[in-house]
Order: sequence, then C-alpha cells, then structure tokens
Amino acid sequence: DSGVTQTPKHLITATGQRVTLRCSPRSGDLSVYWYQQSLDQGLQFLIQYYNGEERAKGNILERFSAQQFPDLHSELNLSSLELGDSALYFCASSGGDGVNQPQHFGDGTRLSIL
Amino acid sequence: SQKIEQNSEALNIQEGKTATLTCNYTNYSPAYLQWYRQDPGRGPVFLLLIRENEKEKRKERLKVTFDTTLKQSLFHITASQPADSATYLCALSPYGGATNKLIFGTGTLLAVQP
Repeated sequence: DSGVTQTPKHLITATGQRVTLRCSPRSGDLSVYWYQQSLDQGLQFLIQYYNGEERAKGNILERFSAQQFPDLHSELNLSSLELGDSALYFCASSGGDGVNQPQHFGDGTRLSIL
Repeated sequence: SQKIEQNSEALNIQEGKTATLTCNYTNYSPAYLQWYRQDPGRGPVFLLLIRENEKEKRKERLKVTFDTTLKQSLFHITASQPADSATYLCALSPYGGATNKLIFGTGTLLAVQP
C-alpha cells in the first residue's frame, strides 16, 4: 500500500461531460503529481503541485485543470470530455518539493468515455 | 527530439537467471534516474533511484547502473522469480533537478518462467 488514495476507481461517462478525480497524498507529502496512462502514449506527466502552488506543467490540455487544497489533497478536473480522454489517471506524491525524491503512486482512476 | 527507450519487446527468462533491462535516453541531461515496477491495473511502485554521480546502486536482488556518457541505465534482477514478472519503467527528471516532473519510458514487460 503506497499510502496514496484515489477516488473513484472507475468512472464511466459520456462525451462532453465533466468529471472530477480526487487524490489524497501520503501523510506528510507536500507534492502531488498527476499522470495520464493510455495504451498508445504510455505514462504522461500532466501537472505537479507543491504545498498548494502549481510547480510544473506537462502537456496538460486546456480542458483539464487541477488544484491542491490546504489539507494537501488534490483534484483533477476534466471537462468537455472526448473519446480520446479514456485512460488511467494516476496521482503520485512525494516529500518536500519532490526533487531527488521517489514518487508514490495511487492505483489510479480508470476513466471510460462512451 | 527527446526520447527514452526501453527494450521494446517482452523479455522472457527462466527462473533463477539474471534479467537485464535497458533504458536509453537522448537529449536529456538528468540529475537522476528512477526505476519503477508496474503490475496490471496497479500504479507504478518505486524501486530504485540513482544519481548522476553514482555509477551503481543495489537493493537486495536489484542492481542499477547509470552511464551518463552512454546515456544509458541498466536494471538487473538476479536470481529472478516468477513473482518478478511485471512491467518495469525507467523515468528521469529532464531539467537537472530543478523539478521532479518525471518522463517515463514505455516500459519492458518481464516474464519469468518457472
């Protein structure tokens, strides 16, 4: 058990809809990361938050946004969903600002767009 | 372009043998490199981190080498067991430690036959 909790485990919705994925990091970890994993693209970095502030950004679509709250949990919001957004979305956390630190992953949210 | 390449095909070995997985990168100058294990339907699990000034790192049956001249890391599992069967991912932070954003390789599927 990594200590990182993601909810929900599965999400099925339709094109054009909006969903929110939730992540609780390991106790004491200040950094939270979001990744997308699809069969054709592998594991892709989306965004990092450190202690409530955005720290780094990857190829995150404008339709996607995230935030980290004062209690350090994070949410990833996906809107105007398209079929191609179907993927596994992972949250990870690490200590401090994360530099030179391993990342601890949750078991993901599987998003299916019908 | 920037790339991280791992053994593109699955690696099949006999129980008790040493498995060697490769990770080659181009156009990056990472301060450190990490290896993760991923089982089907689960999040990646951190295994080892090696810094650019370390040539080799060991943990139990695992050994990682890092050659910044060749731009290559090798990951070895000695005395392999069927329980070692999984996908192994290498990952690096592309900006020399300024951020912990991780870029992942596509992974190598290891199958250890009893």
